[in-house]
Amino acid sequence: GAVVSQHPSRVICKSGTSVKIECRSLDFQATTMFWYRQFPKQSLMLMATSNEGSKATYEQGVEKDKFLINHASLTLSTLTVTSAHPEDSSFYICSASRADTQYFGPGTRLTVL
Amino acid sequence: GENVEQHPSTLSVQEGDSAVIKCTYSDSASNYFPWYKQELGKRPQLIIDIRSNVGEKKDQRIAVTLNKTAKHFSLHITETQPEDSAVYFCAASTFRGSQGNLIFGKGTKLSVKP
Repeated sequence: GAVVSQHPSRVICKSGTSVKIECRSLDFQATTMFWYRQFPKQSLMLMATSNEGSKATYEQGVEKDKFLINHASLTLSTLTVTSAHPEDSSFYICSASRADTQYFGPGTRLTVL
Repeated sequence: GENVEQHPSTLSVQEGDSAVIKCTYSDSASNYFPWYKQELGKRPQLIIDIRSNVGEKKDQRIAVTLNKTAKHFSLHITETQPEDSAVYFCAASTFRGSQGNLIFGKGTKLSVKP
Protein backbone atom coordinates (compact mmCIF):
# COMPACT_ATOMS: atom_id res chain seq x y z
CA GLY A 1 0.00 0.00 0.00
CA ALA A 2 0.85 3.72 0.08
CA VAL A 3 1.55 4.23 -3.61
CA VAL A 4 1.97 7.74 -4.97
CA SER A 5 2.07 8.44 -8.68
CA GLN A 6 3.19 11.56 -10.48
CA HIS A 7 2.57 12.66 -14.04
CA PRO A 8 4.31 13.47 -16.26
CA SER A 9 7.64 11.90 -15.41
CA ARG A 10 9.50 14.18 -17.75
CA VAL A 11 8.61 17.39 -19.56
CA ILE A 12 10.51 19.72 -21.81
CA CYS A 13 8.95 23.08 -22.58
CA LYS A 14 9.78 26.45 -24.00
CA SER A 15 10.40 29.45 -21.81
CA GLY A 16 7.19 31.31 -21.01
CA THR A 17 4.87 28.31 -21.10
CA SER A 18 3.02 26.81 -18.15
CA VAL A 19 3.43 23.24 -17.01
CA LYS A 20 1.05 21.23 -14.83
CA ILE A 21 2.25 18.32 -12.72
CA GLU A 22 -0.18 15.89 -11.09
CA CYS A 23 0.35 13.97 -7.88
CA ARG A 24 -2.00 11.15 -6.95
CA SER A 25 -2.25 8.87 -3.96
CA LEU A 26 -3.45 5.63 -5.53
CA ASP A 27 -4.51 3.48 -2.59
CA PHE A 28 -5.10 5.89 0.25
CA GLN A 29 -6.62 9.27 0.91
CA ALA A 30 -4.20 12.06 1.68
CA THR A 31 -5.45 15.12 3.45
CA THR A 32 -2.01 16.64 3.09
CA MET A 33 0.39 16.53 0.18
CA PHE A 34 3.75 18.19 -0.14
CA TRP A 35 5.69 19.57 -3.09
CA TYR A 36 9.47 19.52 -3.16
CA ARG A 37 12.08 20.71 -5.60
CA GLN A 38 15.44 19.03 -5.93
CA PHE A 39 18.36 20.45 -7.86
CA PRO A 40 21.17 18.14 -9.03
CA LYS A 41 23.20 16.71 -6.16
CA GLN A 42 21.20 18.66 -3.61
CA SER A 43 18.64 17.87 -0.98
CA LEU A 44 14.88 18.07 -1.22
CA MET A 45 13.60 21.56 -0.58
CA LEU A 46 10.01 21.88 0.58
CA MET A 47 8.11 24.31 -1.62
CA ALA A 48 4.62 24.11 -0.23
CA THR A 49 2.15 22.10 1.79
CA SER A 50 -1.09 21.30 0.03
CA ASN A 51 -4.22 20.70 2.09
CA GLU A 52 -7.38 19.32 0.54
CA GLY A 53 -10.04 21.98 0.22
CA SER A 54 -7.92 24.89 1.37
CA LYS A 55 -5.13 27.13 0.16
CA ALA A 56 -1.61 25.81 0.07
CA THR A 57 0.99 26.98 2.56
CA TYR A 58 4.12 28.15 0.81
CA GLU A 59 7.62 28.13 2.21
CA GLN A 60 9.56 31.35 2.46
CA GLY A 61 10.99 32.40 -0.87
CA VAL A 62 8.56 30.36 -2.98
CA GLU A 63 6.35 32.52 -5.18
CA LYS A 64 2.74 31.43 -4.81
CA ASP A 65 1.70 33.16 -8.04
CA LYS A 66 4.34 31.28 -9.98
CA PHE A 67 3.82 27.86 -8.44
CA LEU A 68 0.08 27.33 -8.32
CA ILE A 69 -1.10 24.44 -6.18
CA ASN A 70 -4.55 22.92 -6.21
CA HIS A 71 -5.63 20.06 -3.96
CA ALA A 72 -9.09 19.38 -5.30
CA SER A 73 -9.61 15.95 -3.80
CA LEU A 74 -8.17 13.61 -1.19
CA THR A 75 -6.18 11.80 -3.86
CA LEU A 76 -5.02 14.55 -6.21
CA SER A 77 -2.85 17.62 -5.93
CA THR A 78 -1.53 19.59 -8.89
CA LEU A 79 1.41 21.95 -9.21
CA THR A 80 1.40 24.40 -12.11
CA VAL A 81 4.62 26.17 -12.94
CA THR A 82 3.45 29.34 -14.67
CA SER A 83 5.54 31.20 -17.23
CA ALA A 84 8.39 28.76 -16.76
CA HIS A 85 11.97 29.95 -17.20
CA PRO A 86 15.22 28.00 -17.52
CA GLU A 87 16.00 28.55 -13.83
CA ASP A 88 12.82 26.61 -13.00
CA SER A 89 14.39 23.49 -14.52
CA SER A 90 14.55 20.97 -11.70
CA PHE A 91 13.29 17.67 -10.34
CA TYR A 92 9.88 18.21 -8.74
CA ILE A 93 8.72 15.56 -6.28
CA CYS A 94 5.44 15.33 -4.44
CA SER A 95 4.66 13.33 -1.35
CA ALA A 96 1.43 12.29 0.29
CA SER A 97 1.00 11.96 4.00
CA ARG A 98 -0.59 8.95 5.63
CA ALA A 99 -0.49 9.24 9.41
CA ASP A 100 3.01 10.62 10.07
CA THR A 101 4.73 8.97 7.15
CA GLN A 102 5.31 10.65 3.81
CA TYR A 103 5.33 8.58 0.67
CA PHE A 104 6.99 10.09 -2.36
CA GLY A 105 5.98 10.13 -5.97
CA PRO A 106 8.53 9.20 -8.66
CA GLY A 107 9.24 12.82 -9.51
CA THR A 108 8.94 15.00 -12.61
CA ARG A 109 12.01 16.18 -14.46
CA LEU A 110 11.24 19.64 -15.84
CA THR A 111 13.52 21.15 -18.45
CA VAL A 112 12.76 24.66 -19.64
CA LEU A 113 14.54 25.66 -22.83
CA GLY B 1 12.13 26.96 12.24
CA GLU B 2 13.70 23.55 12.19
CA ASN B 3 17.21 23.12 10.84
CA VAL B 4 18.73 19.71 10.13
CA GLU B 5 22.46 19.20 9.72
CA GLN B 6 23.77 15.96 8.21
CA HIS B 7 27.31 14.55 8.14
CA PRO B 8 29.28 13.39 6.32
CA SER B 9 28.31 14.59 2.85
CA THR B 10 30.13 11.66 1.27
CA LEU B 11 31.07 8.30 2.72
CA SER B 12 33.01 5.49 1.09
CA VAL B 13 33.28 2.06 2.72
CA GLN B 14 34.39 -1.40 1.75
CA GLU B 15 31.76 -4.07 1.27
CA GLY B 16 31.04 -5.72 4.60
CA ASP B 17 32.05 -2.72 6.69
CA SER B 18 29.63 -0.59 8.67
CA ALA B 19 28.47 2.91 7.72
CA VAL B 20 27.27 5.59 10.11
CA ILE B 21 25.52 8.81 9.14
CA LYS B 22 24.76 11.46 11.74
CA CYS B 23 22.18 14.23 11.90
CA THR B 24 21.41 16.98 14.34
CA TYR B 25 18.25 19.02 14.60
CA SER B 26 17.44 22.33 16.22
CA ASP B 27 13.75 22.21 17.17
CA SER B 28 13.25 20.37 20.43
CA ALA B 29 9.58 19.92 19.49
CA SER B 30 10.49 17.60 16.61
CA ASN B 31 9.16 14.14 17.31
CA TYR B 32 9.50 12.11 14.12
CA PHE B 33 12.77 11.25 12.36
CA PRO B 34 12.69 9.26 9.11
CA TRP B 35 15.58 8.21 6.92
CA TYR B 36 15.23 8.03 3.16
CA LYS B 37 17.37 6.33 0.53
CA GLN B 38 17.44 7.88 -2.92
CA GLU B 39 19.01 6.30 -5.95
CA LEU B 40 19.94 8.51 -8.87
CA GLY B 41 16.88 9.92 -10.62
CA LYS B 42 14.45 8.02 -8.43
CA ARG B 43 12.10 8.83 -5.61
CA PRO B 44 13.24 8.83 -1.98
CA GLN B 45 12.33 5.55 -0.29
CA LEU B 46 11.66 5.39 3.43
CA ILE B 47 14.05 2.86 4.95
CA ILE B 48 13.52 3.36 8.66
CA ASP B 49 12.05 5.91 11.03
CA ILE B 50 12.03 6.60 14.73
CA ARG B 51 9.74 8.53 17.00
CA SER B 52 10.74 10.60 19.97
CA ASN B 53 9.49 8.11 22.53
CA VAL B 54 12.04 5.53 21.40
CA GLY B 55 15.83 5.62 21.68
CA GLU B 56 16.74 2.95 19.17
CA LYS B 57 15.13 0.96 16.40
CA LYS B 58 16.53 -1.84 14.29
CA ASP B 59 15.46 -3.51 11.07
CA GLN B 60 17.83 -6.23 9.88
CA ARG B 61 21.06 -4.48 8.84
CA ILE B 62 19.74 -0.99 9.49
CA ALA B 63 19.42 0.73 12.84
CA VAL B 64 18.66 4.24 13.98
CA THR B 65 19.46 5.81 17.32
CA LEU B 66 18.00 8.98 18.80
CA ASN B 67 19.38 11.17 21.55
CA LYS B 68 16.72 13.73 22.36
CA THR B 69 18.80 15.53 24.93
CA ALA B 70 21.59 16.18 22.47
CA LYS B 71 19.14 16.52 19.57
CA HIS B 72 20.92 14.13 17.30
CA PHE B 73 20.08 10.88 15.56
CA SER B 74 22.14 8.46 13.55
CA LEU B 75 21.73 5.81 10.88
CA HIS B 76 23.80 2.66 11.16
CA ILE B 77 24.16 0.21 8.29
CA THR B 78 26.03 -3.00 9.04
CA GLU B 79 27.49 -5.51 6.60
CA THR B 80 27.22 -3.03 3.76
CA GLN B 81 26.60 -4.27 0.24
CA PRO B 82 27.15 -2.56 -3.14
CA GLU B 83 23.38 -2.14 -3.51
CA ASP B 84 23.43 0.08 -0.43
CA SER B 85 25.19 2.70 -2.54
CA ALA B 86 22.85 5.70 -2.80
CA VAL B 87 22.20 9.09 -1.27
CA TYR B 88 20.72 8.94 2.21
CA PHE B 89 18.67 11.77 3.68
CA CYS B 90 17.68 12.26 7.28
CA ALA B 91 14.68 14.39 8.15
CA ALA B 92 12.93 15.79 11.17
CA SER B 93 9.32 16.64 11.65
CA THR B 94 7.08 18.09 14.29
CA PHE B 95 4.14 15.82 13.75
CA ARG B 96 0.77 16.95 15.06
CA GLY B 97 -2.37 15.04 14.24
CA SER B 98 -2.25 14.32 10.53
CA GLN B 99 0.21 16.99 9.51
CA GLY B 100 3.92 17.47 9.81
CA ASN B 101 6.45 19.09 7.53
CA LEU B 102 9.63 17.17 6.89
CA ILE B 103 12.83 19.18 6.97
CA PHE B 104 15.62 17.30 5.23
CA GLY B 105 19.33 17.21 5.80
CA LYS B 106 21.59 17.83 2.81
CA GLY B 107 22.18 14.16 2.18
CA THR B 108 25.06 11.70 2.35
CA LYS B 109 26.33 9.96 -0.73
CA LEU B 110 27.29 6.45 0.34
CA SER B 111 29.55 4.41 -1.90
CA VAL B 112 30.12 0.76 -1.07
CA LYS B 113 33.12 -0.69 -2.87
CA PRO B 114 33.09 -4.39 -3.69
